[in-house]
Amino acid sequence: DAGVIQSPRHEVTEMGQEVTLRCKPISGHNSLFWYRQTMMRGLELLIYFNNNVPIDDSGMPEDRFSAKMPNASFSTLKIQPSEPRDSAVYFCASSNPSRAGYGYTFGSGTRLTVV
Amino acid sequence: SQQGEEDPQALSIQEGENATMNCSYKTSINNLQWYRQNSGRGLVHLILIRSNEREKHSGRLRVTLDTSKKSSSLLITASRAADTASYFCATGVGGSQGNLIFGKGTKLSVKP
Repeated sequence: DAGVIQSPRHEVTEMGQEVTLRCKPISGHNSLFWYRQTMMRGLELLIYFNNNVPIDDSGMPEDRFSAKMPNASFSTLKIQPSEPRDSAVYFCASSNPSRAGYGYTFGSGTRLTVV
Repeated sequence: SQQGEEDPQALSIQEGENATMNCSYKTSINNLQWYRQNSGRGLVHLILIRSNEREKHSGRLRVTLDTSKKSSSLLITASRAADTASYFCATGVGGSQGNLIFGKGTKLSVKP
């Protein structure tokens, strides 16, 4: 298994541009989570999906952020327009609730820099 | 808001020594998990302890949970330089697969 795959690994963009982060969860995992990590705020849950349906998006900072999961093997997190304060590492994680003892599997993250 | 808070924020030890990290949380939990993060990488799941368990072992890891004190500890025995990483506790709340809320982590440095 290749694990949770995120792309791109690094993204540098100018303020005001649209940014799309991508995630492929582990096959058979039906829960998917988007987290953001910064030095100041640590790891914050942005949104999570169960069976492709968004369950809790209360962590999404504002309307500039949106996430979709069109099928079980793909999710996107979009920021439009991007701002310098969005600079962070964005992680995608997936899990199989029937195997809760195994926790979440995280991707390697996307390091976003907005200049 | 943070649910779990790790203590200490940073820990530096010599190879071979034991490392103990603590985690306190605020609300009732279903389970508590520990993760490791190497610099520039994603988090890796280490161990999960359920709210009705008090102690769990996995290799050189030992986790305890005291729900009356809302606290947990992670002990790494006979530490190695490769254990150098940040360690996070995460509390599972809500339904069968609700949110995992992470603390800010303990940065462990093991000197060879």
